[in-house]
Amino acid sequence: AQTVTQSQPEMSVQEAETVTLSCTYDTSESNYYLFWYKQPPSRQMILVIRQEAYKQQNATENRFSVNFQKAAKSFSLKISDSQLGDTAMYFCAFHLDNAGNMLTFGGGTRLMVKP
Amino acid sequence: KAGVTQTPRYLIKTRGQQVTLSCSPISGHRSVSWYQQTPGQGLQFLFEYFSETQRNKGNFPGRFSGRQFSNSRSEMNVSTLELGDSALYLCASSPRTGASEAFFGQGTRLTVV
Repeated sequence: AQTVTQSQPEMSVQEAETVTLSCTYDTSESNYYLFWYKQPPSRQMILVIRQEAYKQQNATENRFSVNFQKAAKSFSLKISDSQLGDTAMYFCAFHLDNAGNMLTFGGGTRLMVKP
Repeated sequence: KAGVTQTPRYLIKTRGQQVTLSCSPISGHRSVSWYQQTPGQGLQFLFEYFSETQRNKGNFPGRFSGRQFSNSRSEMNVSTLELGDSALYLCASSPRTGASEAFFGQGTRLTVV
């Protein structure tokens, strides 16, 4: 079974600053995907960024980028130029390829962006 | 294109009752997954349906069940409700099983009293 761990329950950052959220995972499989989802107070989970395990290049989406270290089983999210609208719960998630659509989530990190 | 629609948004039930939640996926999507979110246990996978068949099931008791209709809409049912079933239930829609992207609805907040 796969496990996902987010060791930072809460974090805060000043507006316009950069913040990094940590995620580690455990799996014996080699083909998988990793995701960061954002859950604002509206409760809807929104996909922030996706990383395929077979790709060595780190994914980026505008102000969001990841540091994917496959050997270390680490998948951190960097948010640059933080905005007030980034305030939310952030979840790291694991998806095993060829195993349906089941996602395994970490416990989440609550991020507060301060003006 | 309409997103994932979950109904109802809020629900209050009494212990021992049963409840049915509904999820309409994005048009053209054939896979629907359900998750339970609680402060204590976090986000846990309940089950996935694809083409009216259950593909995967999480570690939940048999009181939790689901089904999918030919139009891909899905329902989940919880029988003999317990206080611990109070949670946010999230539905995720994907174009196919094994897809690497899921789109979530806003959830149904179930409170059991």
